[in-house]
Amino acid sequence: DAGVIQSPRHEVTEMGQEVTLRCKPISGHDYLFWYRQTMMRGLELLIYFNNNVPIDDSGMPEDRFSAKMPNASFSTLKIQPSEPRDSAVYFCASSLMGTDTQYFGPGTRLTVL
Amino acid sequence: GQQLNQSPQSMFIQEGEDVSMNCTSSSIFNTWLWYKQDPGEGPVLLIALYKAGELTSNGRLTAQFGITRKDSFLNISASIPSDVGIYFCAGQLIPGGTSYGKLTFGQGTILTVHP
Repeated sequence: DAGVIQSPRHEVTEMGQEVTLRCKPISGHDYLFWYRQTMMRGLELLIYFNNNVPIDDSGMPEDRFSAKMPNASFSTLKIQPSEPRDSAVYFCASSLMGTDTQYFGPGTRLTVL
Repeated sequence: GQQLNQSPQSMFIQEGEDVSMNCTSSSIFNTWLWYKQDPGEGPVLLIALYKAGELTSNGRLTAQFGITRKDSFLNISASIPSDVGIYFCAGQLIPGGTSYGKLTFGQGTILTVHP
């Protein structure tokens, strides 16, 4: 069974460009989470969805960040415009209601020059 | 907000040694999880704990859910080179409200094992 799928695995872009990260959760999971990992701040929860509805976006750093989940099998995290301080590894994770455990994707390493 | 203090931040050990790391919280959690992250990969779940006082093993790994519900530890026995990586604790609050499903992660323990 496929795990959480993220694309692209690596993204290099220039400051001011729009960046879109994609995630396909594990089939049947009803929670989806977006995290950002940096050396300085560790793993930070940005936003999470339940049944495609955003539940808590208090971790989204600013209005430049937005996330959508148009259906149960797809989510995007968009940064517009991107800045060098957005450089990090972005993880998507999914879980099933009642099981508590989250399964992480391989991450997208974003570098903003 | 809730914070998890994970220690130590890093460990350098010889192959065959035992390892112990722990997490403490200012909040009560109903679930404690331990993850391992290999370089270039996402965290992978190692052990999940659901009851205060629970002691759970997974091969050479043993983890315990503290009876106060505010702490947990992870032990690795007879370490091997493939144990290298970053270990994270994570806790989930009491169900209910908008925090259900949301995990709080510790800062991680970087483990290096010398052959």
